[in-house]
Amino acid sequence: DIQMTQSPSSLSASVGDRVTITCRASQSISNYLNWYQQKPGKAPKLLISGSSSLQSGVPSRFSGSGSGTDFTLTISSLQFEDFATYYCQQGYSHTWTFGQGTKVEIK
Amino acid sequence: QGQLQESGPGLVKPSETLSLTCTVSGGSVSSGSYYWSWIRQPPGKGLEWIGKIYYSGSTNYNPSLKSRVTISVDTSKNQFSLKLNSVTAADTAIYYCARGLSGSYMQIDYWGQGTLVTVSS
Repeated sequence: DIQMTQSPSSLSASVGDRVTITCRASQSISNYLNWYQQKPGKAPKLLISGSSSLQSGVPSRFSGSGSGTDFTLTISSLQFEDFATYYCQQGYSHTWTFGQGTKVEIK
Repeated sequence: QGQLQESGPGLVKPSETLSLTCTVSGGSVSSGSYYWSWIRQPPGKGLEWIGKIYYSGSTNYNPSLKSRVTISVDTSKNQFSLKLNSVTAADTAIYYCARGLSGSYMQIDYWGQGTLVTVSS
């Protein structure tokens, strides 16, 4: 099965900072890479599909890029409501997998 | 607008079978546009994909759970279900049902609110 590795596992940042989270697949997954945001006590929310397609209603400060094995989620100017845990997920193989998550905390 | 709601016991004894049902509204489990999936999250930990089912009944499971998992669909009730047998404390988690988009990037666009299942005697 395909393993997904996110880095870092956690980071501390301030409002207004640019934040980058990476996700690496153990084999090529083309662009079958999706990003989710999860806040405490809530179900995850889909932010980006197909590596770079922003979902309706998601602020434009979020962006995604990458193809093959290496992917990036960028928050251009961190806002208070963005403090959360972010997960990548591959949908390339019949068995889906999530990254271990990246927790974005207030500095 | 899809809505999913998990239901089932919140407490299961070790070695027994965990059974959950997801009721779907605002969409049909008979649609070829979706996969229906179960995902879990142990307290304080990350997301673990359990498996998925297509309207045809075709299933795929996490290899680490495959020997203990069964996912089924009931089109007459617009529901799908999860059975996990021989549970241990390690299976204590919030269990989410979710809808994935087939014919796209397999992204999960709707999630249930999640239900906590505790394995304890």
